[in-house]
Amino acid sequence: DAKTTQPPSMDCAEGRAANLPCNHSTISGNEYVYWYRQIHSQGPQYIIHGLKNNETNEMASLIITEDRKSSTLILPHATLRDTAVYYCIVTRSGAGSYQLTFGKGTKLSVIP
Amino acid sequence: DVKVTQSSRYLVKRTGEKVFLECVQDMDHENMFWYRQDPGLGLRLIYFSYDVKMKEKGDIPEGYSVSREKKERFSLILESASTNQTSMYLCASSNLPGKQETQYFGPGTRLLVL
Repeated sequence: DAKTTQPPSMDCAEGRAANLPCNHSTISGNEYVYWYRQIHSQGPQYIIHGLKNNETNEMASLIITEDRKSSTLILPHATLRDTAVYYCIVTRSGAGSYQLTFGKGTKLSVIP
Repeated sequence: DVKVTQSSRYLVKRTGEKVFLECVQDMDHENMFWYRQDPGLGLRLIYFSYDVKMKEKGDIPEGYSVSREKKERFSLILESASTNQTSMYLCASSNLPGKQETQYFGPGTRLLVL
């Protein structure tokens, strides 16, 4: 799997958009970008994933650059409950590719 | 919503005890996983199963075994618990791999081995 690089920590004011960057410059053509988050003392929670098009769901938006070497997770209106560690993962889906490799992630602190 | 439940949130055991951690998912998922999470080491895959009675070793299977007798249930067994198995244990499940795959995690079990 391709390696990802994320800032170790970020702050965001409550109610503002949180933009979390991720670099994955060695991503292959058949690899997806996944985002998970982990709130303290809980299991990781799936947020969103994409291949090359931008994606949006009820939790967040995912913007992937045209060259696919980086992406940004956007939480449009951050709340205190969004304080968590956010993981960007690149993985090849398909038969035999079961494992998700979590790096150190970005610790997002939402400030009142 | 997918629900993955784990039998205990917190567990305290003594060295040498046999420990069973149970995981149940309610979405008819084919794949189930056991990870452990330790500070500075991230999540590490212990075992996974892609079908009933099937199992595959992950990165750190030593000291562990698993059982999958029913599709919805995946058990992790510590045959003889040791202090270095003190950790957060996370179970996950996912659908058959195709073009996309998403793993859904349980709340975790914090195991302390004394």
